[in-house]
Amino acid sequence: EDQVTQSPEALRLQEGESSSLNCSYTVSGLRGLFWYRQDPGKGPEFLFTLYSAGEEKEKERLKATLTKKESFLHITAPKPEDSATYLCAVLPTDGANNLFFGTGTRLTVIP
Amino acid sequence: DTGVSQDPRHKITKRGQNVTFRCDPISEHNRLYWYRQTLGQGPEFLTYFQNEAQLEKSRLLSDRFSAERPKGSFSTLEIQRTEQGDSAMYLCASSLVGSGSPYEQYFGPGTRLTVT
Repeated sequence: EDQVTQSPEALRLQEGESSSLNCSYTVSGLRGLFWYRQDPGKGPEFLFTLYSAGEEKEKERLKATLTKKESFLHITAPKPEDSATYLCAVLPTDGANNLFFGTGTRLTVIP
Repeated sequence: DTGVSQDPRHKITKRGQNVTFRCDPISEHNRLYWYRQTLGQGPEFLTYFQNEAQLEKSRLLSDRFSAERPKGSFSTLEIQRTEQGDSAMYLCASSLVGSGSPYEQYFGPGTRLTVT
């Protein structure tokens, strides 16, 4: 069965303290892995798509990487405005066209 | 704003009432998805359309739920005889098959349903 596990559930960082969020996945085959940011009471905001192991994508202070079993979202020198829940989702190759989401990591960046 | 829009943003209803939500996707997007999200969980897939055809439905979608996309543009999700367990955020997303990034789904702001 397809499964996505994110860790940690919650993370508190001081402003400027870099860290990484983890997304482990189990799927028969992977068409894509997606990272979203979600602010309270709002819909998820698309960040990155990764398609194959070894791929990396960057946007401002965020960098996403992918291996055959997991993905990392690295946050460099975070600011308070980076506080949000970060969701990971996978699209398997088994014909389904819906995303399978993890439960997210709730990030708080303290000034 | 050319993003996905949803209406209403909030809905409070009494148990047993019917409710209908609307989603307007990004204008050229041909796929439209409905998800449900409860507190502390990631979104869970309900159903999706390609143009006006409903191609897939989750086991989560009970007989009380029905979705339509009559002209391949906006979509509606109706819940009949609402139950307290239906309380959740209902999210709509859209994507463009045939583009360079066909799998990227863009979400709307959601409709928060509270069943009392």
